[in-house]
Amino acid sequence: EIVLTQSPATLSLSPGERATLSCRASQSVSSYLAWYQQKPGQAPRLLIYDVSNRATGIPARFSGSGSGTDFTLTISSLEPEDFAVYYCQQRSSWPITFGQGTRLEIK
Amino acid sequence: EVQLVESGGGLVQPGGSLRLSCAASGFTFSGYWMHWVRQVPGKGLVWVSRINSGGTSTTYADSVKGRFTISRDNAKNTLYLQMNSLRAEDTAVYYCASGHSSSYNWFDPWGQGTLVTVSS
Repeated sequence: EIVLTQSPATLSLSPGERATLSCRASQSVSSYLAWYQQKPGQAPRLLIYDVSNRATGIPARFSGSGSGTDFTLTISSLEPEDFAVYYCQQRSSWPITFGQGTRLEIK
Repeated sequence: EVQLVESGGGLVQPGGSLRLSCAASGFTFSGYWMHWVRQVPGKGLVWVSRINSGGTSTTYADSVKGRFTISRDNAKNTLYLQMNSLRAEDTAVYYCASGHSSSYNWFDPWGQGTLVTVSS
């Protein structure tokens, strides 16, 4: 099973700042990595798939990068609605696995 | 509007059974793989199972293999998860999710979730 490790566990930033979230895989997942956003009481929402492709309706301030084992989700300028929990997910091999999440909180 | 609506959750005793349903609308359900993902409240996401578009191929997480069965009725646009021999550690919110247009194994959209509580 591929283990995805996200860091930091919690990130405290202010609106307007840049957020950088990391996801590291225990073995290469090639480009088969996605990011999801989950707000309290809501289902997750797909943000980024195949490392860097934004899902439908996702603002351009969200971007993804990386390859192999190291991946990054960047939010260029935080909006109030961006404070949430973010998960990475791999589909390179079964079972599909998720990272443990990064909580992005308002400083 | 694309929508997935889960139902069937509730309180069940250890060793008991429950069947979850996920009603799909707003898209061609029969054309997409479907998945179940669960989440213990306050914890992370765990993939549970998937089924291909025709319902002929399934995959399960080791933690539920032999106890859970995923199925679908494309005529009714509905996904199911039959859960048997339930354990306390199966307590979670269960989400159904569709495979994405770019890949069967990205999840978009998701339902709102249904809570399953296994307790005596």
